[in-house]
Amino acid sequence: SQTIHQWPATLVQPVGSPLSLECTVEGTSNPNLYWYRQAAGRGLQLLFYSVGIGQISSEVPQNLSASRPQDRQFILSSKKLLLSDSGFYLCAWSKSVPLQLNEQYFGPGTRLTVT
Amino acid sequence: RKEVEQDPGPFNVPEGATVAFNCTYSNSASQSFFWYRQDCRKEPKLLMSVYSSGNEDGRFTAQLNRASQYISLLIRDSKLSDSATYLCVVNPLTGGGNKLTFGTGTQLKVEL
Repeated sequence: SQTIHQWPATLVQPVGSPLSLECTVEGTSNPNLYWYRQAAGRGLQLLFYSVGIGQISSEVPQNLSASRPQDRQFILSSKKLLLSDSGFYLCAWSKSVPLQLNEQYFGPGTRLTVT
Repeated sequence: RKEVEQDPGPFNVPEGATVAFNCTYSNSASQSFFWYRQDCRKEPKLLMSVYSSGNEDGRFTAQLNRASQYISLLIRDSKLSDSATYLCVVNPLTGGGNKLTFGTGTQLKVEL
């Protein structure tokens, strides 16, 4: 069966510090991968998605970036955090075929507080 | 108009009650639909996929009305453990990558 891991679970970082969040998926090959952010009391906002190694699509302009160095690894980064980057960061995966019809499965999330 | 709209609630119901949530979506070309459940400070978890003919899973029934562009979720015999936020999710088929659009959720509180 497939599992998705995220770490760390919680993180407190000062403004201006760098960020690196990691997500890995097990038990599947060539998944689509996603990064979402959920601000307190708000809905899920899609930040990035990837359909393959090195292929990243950005959904919203921001000071965050994403990379996919391996098939089942997705990394979210920032060079300098802003207060507005605080939130619950969720990684998700879906099957890549059949296209456009697949549900997504979420990791346990990272709760980031920027101070 | 939001792509996916839900009544935020909260819906406060007694244990054993039947409760229904509706959700409307704006893109008539949307092809796949889901309900997710999110517990407080946890990740969303898939509850049900919604099929054109409607589908049932135990106490949960999902319906899709394409003509009116709404999706419903019915929960029968509510349990305390059903207390959560229920997210309506639509694949609008815009762009690539199997992207989903999430509603902001309907909060359900089941009480003794």
